Amino acid sequence: DIRMTQSPSSLSASVGDRVTISCRASQGISNYLAWYQQKPGKSPKLLIYAASALPSGVPSRFSGSGSGTDFTLTIGSLQPEDVATYYCQKYNGAPWTFGQGTKVDIK
Amino acid sequence: QVQLVQSGAEVKSPGASVKVSCKASGYTVTIYYIHWVRQAPGQGPEWMGFINPRDGSATYAQKFQGRIAMTTDPSTSTLYMELTSLTSDDTAVYYCAREGSALDVWGQGTMVPVSS
Repeated sequence: DIRMTQSPSSLSASVGDRVTISCRASQGISNYLAWYQQKPGKSPKLLIYAASALPSGVPSRFSGSGSGTDFTLTIGSLQPEDVATYYCQKYNGAPWTFGQGTKVDIK
Repeated sequence: QVQLVQSGAEVKSPGASVKVSCKASGYTVTIYYIHWVRQAPGQGPEWMGFINPRDGSATYAQKFQGRIAMTTDPSTSTLYMELTSLTSDDTAVYYCAREGSALDVWGQGTMVPVSS
């Protein structure tokens, strides 16, 4: 099975900072990569699909890039409401494996 | 609006089974696969498998093969996930999610503590 590895596992940044989170697949997955945001006690929320596409309603400060094995989620200007854990997930076939998560908080 | 509404929390004993429901509304249920994902306390999400509501065919993660069953009741637009032979390692919040663009709509989650 393909493994998904995120880094860092946690980060602390100031409001307005640019934040980047990495996700690496152990084998190529083309652009079948999604990012989710999960706040405490809530269900995960789709943030990015197809590596770089934003669903309707997701703020434009969120962006995704990458293809193959290396992917990045960028928060262009960190806001207090972005405090959450972020997960990547591959979906080019079963199993739809998640990364282990990156916890983001405000410094 | 598009919604997935899950059944309420259930406390289970080791060795028991649990059946979680997920009622879909606001869209044509037969068009979209439904996935099940669980999340143990303090851990990341774990993908369990998916079902095609059109024909009831399902694909399961290898880890759960033999003790999981995903089913559908088209007459009520309700999907089910049953997990048997529960242990304390199965203590988790269980989610259903729609496969649109990736997993684009999620249920609210169903907490299943397994404890003697």
